[in-house]
Amino acid sequence: RKEVEQDPGPFNVPEGATVAFNCTYSNSASQSFFWYRQDCRKEPKLLMSVYSSGNEDGRFTAQLNRASQYISLLIRDSKLSDSATYLCVVNNQAGTALIFGKGTTLSVSS
Amino acid sequence: ETGVTQTPRHLVMGMTNKKSLKCEQHLGHNAMYWYKQSAKKPLELMFVYNFKEQTENNSVPSRFSPECPNSSHLFLHLHTLQPEDSALYLCASSQGTGPSSGDTEAFFGQGTRLTVV
Repeated sequence: RKEVEQDPGPFNVPEGATVAFNCTYSNSASQSFFWYRQDCRKEPKLLMSVYSSGNEDGRFTAQLNRASQYISLLIRDSKLSDSATYLCVVNNQAGTALIFGKGTTLSVSS
Repeated sequence: ETGVTQTPRHLVMGMTNKKSLKCEQHLGHNAMYWYKQSAKKPLELMFVYNFKEQTENNSVPSRFSPECPNSSHLFLHLHTLQPEDSALYLCASSQGTGPSSGDTEAFFGQGTRLTVV
């Protein structure tokens, strides 16, 4: 099983749509969870951390299910500027570094 | 401006060349990382340094040789590379390493796009 697994997409949605991304991770000892965003030919940047109780930041909601080793990201009211690749990230077994999923590509069109 | 600067931004090198990638962080972080991003593959962790000490080598071939002279600078020395080593090499830094999310948020440089011919 891959350490972090995501559906690569692409997800093609119209503006205003709600879209959800899912991610599974293999290391049950992981303690830190994040969603990063990577624009084309740019470096990844932190979008939001993911907490056990779930958390929201504006139009973005992240959920964590430790029992199922599953993380999700929900984007409401999609904007053109949301078009990017979204990377699911967990820390490694030793807790010393971040392990990235392949990313899910989102394309929002008008 | 991300606080993490990588040079050069682009590099083309032959298989017999020796070159070095440089990374500098201005964030006062203690941990620095090299990642490799190839087309259609996830970011792959290569090396981790914490307080200038290498704490992780993710089974990277010896033709890649990291160097961390201090907490602000990280180098990746390259020699006798193969065409399949062509990729985007990303440097990152974080406050520390550890299970706390506050410690491990990573800030990335813009990367060096390497082409081996």
